[in-house]
Amino acid sequence: DTAVSQTPKYLVTQMGNDKSIKCEQNLGHDTMYWYKQDSKKFLKIMFSYNNKELIINETVPNRFSPKSPDKAHLNLHINSLELGDSAVYFCASSQDPSGVPEAFFGQGTRLTVV
Amino acid sequence: GQNIDQPTEMTATEGAIVQINCTYQTSGFNGLFWYQQHAGEAPTFLSYNVLDGLEEKGRFSSFLSRSKGYSYLLLKELQMKDSASYLCAVPSSGGYNKLIFGAGTRLAVHP
Repeated sequence: DTAVSQTPKYLVTQMGNDKSIKCEQNLGHDTMYWYKQDSKKFLKIMFSYNNKELIINETVPNRFSPKSPDKAHLNLHINSLELGDSAVYFCASSQDPSGVPEAFFGQGTRLTVV
Repeated sequence: GQNIDQPTEMTATEGAIVQINCTYQTSGFNGLFWYQQHAGEAPTFLSYNVLDGLEEKGRFSSFLSRSKGYSYLLLKELQMKDSASYLCAVPSSGGYNKLIFGAGTRLAVHP
């Protein structure tokens, strides 16, 4: 009964490969996000979707493409992986604020590009 | 734009009290969040302040002063398990859909 689950937890791949990270939330939330946490532990938003619609797209290389088949899922596909893409990627979800608009995070995917 | 500052590291002793400060600059204020993140784990929500003053929740309290652009997280009766990073975050001027996080304060609790 995990609230926000993402797979895989660890991903090691070679430069130039294409990989996907999947995320699902069972909280009934309308909004989902992808965050990147680099080696300096800064947590930065990449994308935000509300009811399957893209609402935030930060300055992220277009090698990164999110896809939301329904409001409970937000996957992240990365093409032509580069060394600098190594980081921990967190999926999160939140409800449109009617109370406290806290975000719930998945356990993270540690991506290592070699 | 938004900017958040918090100390990089702090140490404290088990059983003590520690205060982690956060200053922010934001255009349009929509509240301030504190998250806890243990090493290798996901951030978890601790508190949300939208009005000035102190909000207490068990051993953890969070304070906000909107006029000063300042918040702190107060941890009492420290336990070893409180060793973690504490992240201060504010929603962007565009709304709650984008949280801007500080770099986090890594707290080490020693026996």
